[in-house]
Amino acid sequence: GAGVSQTPSNKVTEKGKYVELRCDPISGHTALYWYRQSLGQGPEFLIYFQGTGAADDSGLPNDRFFAVRPEGSVSTLKIQRTERGDSAVYLCASSFVRGNEQFFGPGTRLTVL
Amino acid sequence: AQTVTQSQPEMSVQEAETVTLSCTYDTSENNYYLFWYKQPPSRQMILVIRQEAYKQQNATENRFSVNFQKAAKSFSLKISDSQLGDTAMYFCAFMKLEGAQKLVFGQGTRLTINP
Repeated sequence: GAGVSQTPSNKVTEKGKYVELRCDPISGHTALYWYRQSLGQGPEFLIYFQGTGAADDSGLPNDRFFAVRPEGSVSTLKIQRTERGDSAVYLCASSFVRGNEQFFGPGTRLTVL
Repeated sequence: AQTVTQSQPEMSVQEAETVTLSCTYDTSENNYYLFWYKQPPSRQMILVIRQEAYKQQNATENRFSVNFQKAAKSFSLKISDSQLGDTAMYFCAFMKLEGAQKLVFGQGTRLTINP
């Protein structure tokens, strides 16, 4: 597709479960970002990939959160032992190179019961 | 660390009116970008306008323009001839040019355009 896609669109899980959220960036975009948007708030940075490597993961809230981008394209955000406080919209963005406009996906709404 | 503040949680105007959304930020950086993003109910963030801090001239994009006051660290968005399709959440965002170039967002302003 032409834009950033994210799957699933919505995810409902139970406290303590493991979830994976997927991001397909725009083809050719080397920079990829994950943000988390809690209800009524602006997005907050989680992690930045340049190619395959996580160049900045300073926004990950704790070690239950992990993200990968093994081939420099698709990225997966992984959350272990989910907690109710993890409920939020998780947004992915990509850009052609670092510093260019970031194009956002529609997000995944995660609900932890 | 950079912070972005949007002091207007909600605004409402009539169609065709002009509306201004406020944003202030705090940074010790000298080189950075500022952005306004629109987020409709579909959740997808859409770039409205961008301003490079080194440029003194205010950016404009059709009905959208900014008032960038670098010394005051203020970056307001003016929407002229507002349309029903402008109804959305609007986020002001800061990006420094070094490092990851991650976006730092404000809390957002919910704008409603009434017919």
